[in-house]
Amino acid sequence: QVQLVQSGAEVKRPGASVKVSCEASGHTFTGYYMYWVRQAPGQGLEWMGRINPNSGGTDYAQKFQGRVIMTRDINTAYMELSRLRFDDTAVYFCARKGGGNREAWFDPWGQGTLVTVSS
Amino acid sequence: QSVLTQPPSASGTPGQRITISCSGGSSNIGVNFVYWYQQFPGTAPKLLIYRNNQRPSGVPDRFSGSKSGTSASLAIRGLRSEDEADYYCATWDDSLSGPVFGGGTKLAVL
Repeated sequence: QVQLVQSGAEVKRPGASVKVSCEASGHTFTGYYMYWVRQAPGQGLEWMGRINPNSGGTDYAQKFQGRVIMTRDINTAYMELSRLRFDDTAVYFCARKGGGNREAWFDPWGQGTLVTVSS
Repeated sequence: QSVLTQPPSASGTPGQRITISCSGGSSNIGVNFVYWYQQFPGTAPKLLIYRNNQRPSGVPDRFSGSKSGTSASLAIRGLRSEDEADYYCATWDDSLSGPVFGGGTKLAVL
């Protein structure tokens, strides 16, 4: 079945960078956009950006532009967030995009990666 | 501050019917499909309703969605204890060129 498996939890210092991976299986990796969404403790969901695994093209939410880079290789998507701040502490999810261009159809999701920013 | 507005909490007793509202605007819910996600503590969100009122296979028909204008609702009938979770609405926002989410509604089954 379609599955997204993310890398493990990370603890980083303020100002550092973190790179989270999302390995896809059970579907044609290049056939679906991959989105990244984060969730701060006790908070809601926030879109960060997306990558087209076929072309490598990316689009980032304005809030993260200049600090986030999304890449991919054969069957894995990556999200790197730099210049980490305390309020970047969150669970980071990857999610496969379905439906048409202007749809918020995400299925499945990765299990999430907790990134803790602490001094 | 989420683009879509949901009540922070909802509650009901077993067997009851409850609804959760989601309010947006003309650049998001007004012109695009609404989605609902269910999330249990410590787990990833799971697609519950797609394209306003469609259920993925495996989702019980106790769950239903509707949309009218710039608002949407999720209804759960025959409430069960295992329905206790957080529920998020989502849609595409044409002005932001990306998906937007509600702040989530924590459902308690009393």
